[in-house]
Amino acid sequence: EVQLVESGGGLVQPGGSLRLSCVASGFTFRSFYMSWVRQSPGKGLEWVANIKQDGSEKYYVDSVKGRFTISRDNAKNSLYLEMNSLRAEDTAVYYCARVPSPFGVGYMDVWGRGTTVTVSS
Amino acid sequence: QSVLTQPPSVSGAPGQRVTISCTGTNSNIGAGYDVHWYQQLPGSAPKLLIYLNSNRPSGVPDRFSGSTSGTSASLAITGLQAEDEADYYCQSYDSGLTLGVFGGGTKLTVL
Repeated sequence: EVQLVESGGGLVQPGGSLRLSCVASGFTFRSFYMSWVRQSPGKGLEWVANIKQDGSEKYYVDSVKGRFTISRDNAKNSLYLEMNSLRAEDTAVYYCARVPSPFGVGYMDVWGRGTTVTVSS
Repeated sequence: QSVLTQPPSVSGAPGQRVTISCTGTNSNIGAGYDVHWYQQLPGSAPKLLIYLNSNRPSGVPDRFSGSTSGTSASLAITGLQAEDEADYYCQSYDSGLTLGVFGGGTKLTVL
């Protein structure tokens, strides 16, 4: 079964850091672009970051550039999101998702259940 | 303010047909970039519903269909069922950005 499982969410103070993880199973992880998408409470979806199959290219939404870092370990079938200088507006459910397009743009066909990040003092 | 504009809510009675619009500009849908649709049931993760404008993943009923025209796209749901009550999001690509963009979402209520 194709599956993505996120972990690492929690409560963190403004200015703090958190590292999210996503473990993939059921498919050849190293063959796909992977993404993080977030959803703030009661709000819509926002594509946060994207990483190429070999990790050589990474893309970010403007609001997280310089604060978030996406990375992957293909040997461990794992995707990561390092989040620093967290702000209240980063509070959201963070989803890991697979991007079938070999160029990294387009749709996401597999989603994890999400992990919740709350930034509050 | 989302790059792609969707109505906040739509509703319909069981068995009826409803459509959800997704309005963009000449830098996204109007530029020919593909549109995709996701369904998010209450308390669940988004699920791919329509990809590349009009294609259904395996397991998605043919009651769901997608189309594009000019700077807009539409999701149509026929034979509305109670289980279709969910939030629906369109998604595309914008030439001014490096990542995909989503519409603000539409809440479908089955009366």
